[in-house]
Amino acid sequence: AQSVAQPEDQVNVAEGNPLTVKCTYSVSGNPYLFWYVQYPNRGLQFLLKYITGDNLVKGSYGFEAEFNKSQTSFHLKKPSALVSDSALYFCAVRDRGGATNKLIFGTGTLLAVQP
Amino acid sequence: DVKVTQSSRYLVKRTGEKVFLECVQDMDHENMFWYRQDPGLGLRLIYFSYDVKMKEKGDIPEGYSVSREKKERFSLILESASTNQTSMYLCASSPGGLAPTHEQYFGPGTRLTVT
Repeated sequence: AQSVAQPEDQVNVAEGNPLTVKCTYSVSGNPYLFWYVQYPNRGLQFLLKYITGDNLVKGSYGFEAEFNKSQTSFHLKKPSALVSDSALYFCAVRDRGGATNKLIFGTGTLLAVQP
Repeated sequence: DVKVTQSSRYLVKRTGEKVFLECVQDMDHENMFWYRQDPGLGLRLIYFSYDVKMKEKGDIPEGYSVSREKKERFSLILESASTNQTSMYLCASSPGGLAPTHEQYFGPGTRLTVT
């Protein structure tokens, strides 16, 4: 069965420092991977996705993620964190069990950027 | 821009009441989804629909039902609300077909409290 793990409940980083939010996955076959962000009292916003091709994927707000097949990881990164990046981040993997675009989400990682 | 709207941002209901949560999308998407979000558990899929009048159970369908009479509208029904259904409810939509690469677009969420 497909699954996603976000091993850190919270990540703390100082403004201007690089940030990494970790995600590992388990799928049978090729994964389709997604990152979403949720600001307080808001719905989820799409950041980026990996479908195929280049392992480094660039997305919104300066975020990028690196697909690593050997480590089954899809970590979210940003070279220089902003206080406004503070939010809840979710990793998701496509469920290949059906024709619909069903996603399986991780439990989320709270990113706190200190000024 | 895709817009997904939910009928209420905050809702307070009493135990045993029948509760309707409405979701509308304006992008002619085939797929629509209902999730609940709880701290530490991430997003869990309740039900989804891939076409008008079609529905499939997600991971936690017990105590819920859904209705999709029109393509743009997907309703979540709590037949007899209970306190353990206090949660944030998120609606999402995505294009359909066999392409697995589409991201989902989320509404702002409804925070339901059952007392």
